[in-house]
Amino acid sequence: ETGVTQTPRHLVMGMTNKKSLKCEQHLGHNAMYWYKQSAKKPLELMFVYSLEERVENNSVPSRFSPECPNSSHLFLHLHTLQPEDSALYLCASSQPGQFTEAFFGQGTRLTVV
Amino acid sequence: RKEVEQDPGPFNVPEGATVAFNCTYSNSASQSFFWYRQDCRKEPKLLMSVYSSGNEDGRFTAQLNRASQYISLLIRDSKLSDSATYLCVVNAPGGSYIPTFGRGTSLIVHP
Repeated sequence: ETGVTQTPRHLVMGMTNKKSLKCEQHLGHNAMYWYKQSAKKPLELMFVYSLEERVENNSVPSRFSPECPNSSHLFLHLHTLQPEDSALYLCASSQPGQFTEAFFGQGTRLTVV
Repeated sequence: RKEVEQDPGPFNVPEGATVAFNCTYSNSASQSFFWYRQDCRKEPKLLMSVYSSGNEDGRFTAQLNRASQYISLLIRDSKLSDSATYLCVVNAPGGSYIPTFGRGTSLIVHP
């Protein structure tokens, strides 16, 4: 069983659509993250939740809206996206702490048309 | 200055070669460091943690130089399957210890 599961794996949406990405972790972690990875670019941190509180919002446009209903689930709500938002969206989780590593889901490959 | 910097490469080496990557970090208070591997169109996966002055796992050796604020990854006897992007990660000190990623170094091992 994968420790961090993301759905859907692939998503194509129009600029006027509303969709949500889902992430679920089965590792008992208390911190969850959304990262964006565009083609040939480094991972960009979008949001961080620690103990269900948002602790980081890295200047992300308001068309991306995160939600963390509990420590095991993380959502990214999308609306009125732009073609440049097409990317691989990766969810990760870890135990909050200095020496702990992050575990990633397989990502959602998003294409905005 | 970026928090975590890596040479993007690509490093193009023959099978059996030894190759080394460096990564520099800007915050001298950082205490925890990792190397991840990312295959094309896949998620990053932990390769190894970097403890105190270094860590070795088979053909892979990671070292930390606190004075110069860099970590390195050495791969000996390269295999074709080592071809991937190697990401340097530093847990940012102060509060949430958010994993901060370098842009990655691309390695291509050819026959």
